[in-house]
Amino acid sequence: QKEVEQNSGPLSVPEGAIASLNCTYSDRGSQSFFWYRQYSGKSPELIMFIYSNGDKEDGRFTAQLNKASQYVSLLIRDSQPSDSATYLCAVNGANNLFFGTGTRLTVIP
Amino acid sequence: AAGVIQSPRHLIKEKRETATLKCYPIPRHDTVYWYQQGPGQDPQFLISFYEKMQSDKGSIPDRFSAQQFSDYHSELNMSSLELGDSALYFCASSLGLTGNQPQHFGDGTRLSIL
Repeated sequence: QKEVEQNSGPLSVPEGAIASLNCTYSDRGSQSFFWYRQYSGKSPELIMFIYSNGDKEDGRFTAQLNKASQYVSLLIRDSQPSDSATYLCAVNGANNLFFGTGTRLTVIP
Repeated sequence: AAGVIQSPRHLIKEKRETATLKCYPIPRHDTVYWYQQGPGQDPQFLISFYEKMQSDKGSIPDRFSAQQFSDYHSELNMSSLELGDSALYFCASSLGLTGNQPQHFGDGTRLSIL
């Protein structure tokens, strides 16, 4: 069983809508959770990280963490075509990150 | 702000050749990680270094080795290259060793084995 699970998508939303990306993880001891955005052929770009249960907002992005359910999500408000990318959920290991397979998001103009 | 620098950006090799990939972390970052990402796959952790010592090892083949130097840059050495080694290789750096620290990625090296 993979450590981090994501729906691979593709997820399509119209421009201006809210995109909701979900991730579950298997290690209940995990403490740190990261969302990376990756455009095709480019490197992962850190967009959010969250350590505590609840919500964390940064601009149009909100990360939500529920450790009891081992669930982390990313909401993108007012989605733009430039948000079209693969979003990788990552969870800390002892000294590295475990990545999900990513969700491909397409924002339709 | 300075980012993680990787070189070369592209590398073409033939089977059984060797390759060396270089990574220069963000200034003051003391931890370096190497990842391999195949087409359509998520990044797979290979190896990490903290303060010039290996800190963790993932799915790195025995044909690969790496080290971190006194200036904190790191090199990934790959020998007896195989077709399956064709991938994007990313280096990331962070401040501190714990998994709590965000990792920042370089632009990667695209390795193609002919």
